[in-house]
Amino acid sequence: SQKIEQNSEALNIQEGKTATLTCNYTNYSPAYLQWYRQDPGRGPVFLLLIRENEKEKRKERLKVTFDTTLKQSLFHITASQPADSATYLCAFSISYNTDKLIFGTGTRLQVFP
Amino acid sequence: EAQVTQNPRYLITVTGKKLTVTCSQNMNHEYMSWYRQDPGLGLRQIYYSMNVEVTDKGDVPEGYKVSRKEKRNFPLILESPSPNQTSLYFCASSLSSGTGGEQYFGPGTRLTVT
Repeated sequence: SQKIEQNSEALNIQEGKTATLTCNYTNYSPAYLQWYRQDPGRGPVFLLLIRENEKEKRKERLKVTFDTTLKQSLFHITASQPADSATYLCAFSISYNTDKLIFGTGTRLQVFP
Repeated sequence: EAQVTQNPRYLITVTGKKLTVTCSQNMNHEYMSWYRQDPGLGLRQIYYSMNVEVTDKGDVPEGYKVSRKEKRNFPLILESPSPNQTSLYFCASSLSSGTGGEQYFGPGTRLTVT
């Protein structure tokens, strides 16, 4: 069955460092993937989308990579700030014909001053 | 302001008492979806709709119903709620199917079934 894995353990880093979150998938080839941020008790908020034919995407301090050989996506936050503390979700599409997404369970990031 | 709204935000009910959670979006989006989020299980899709009068089952549809009579609204119906439906529910929408577009999520509805 299709499976997405994100590190369930919280990631704790110091302010100013680069946070790197990992998302691995098995048993299928997604057309694209997305990363979302979720704060406690709130709905997820879209951050970035990357397609299968793109290796890397950037937006301000955020960078996403997509390695179809390793079946992995990495999400980087450079110059991290305490305000970046949240849970980050990755989500894979199953095809280009639908917006159906399969979500990972998320990784909680805590940035300490 | 472009948004997805859900009501109610919090609901405590008893087993077997029918309830409806409303969802509305003001962005003229074609695609709408309902998810439930449980600790350790992440977001799981319940039902989705690719357009008016077109709905389909997601990964965990048992015990739920939906309808899409208007483009902006996508209510979630629990005909006979049970305690295992206690969860945090999110409605989401995106511009159109197949564009790979971002999904906009509502604020969530926390449901407790006793």
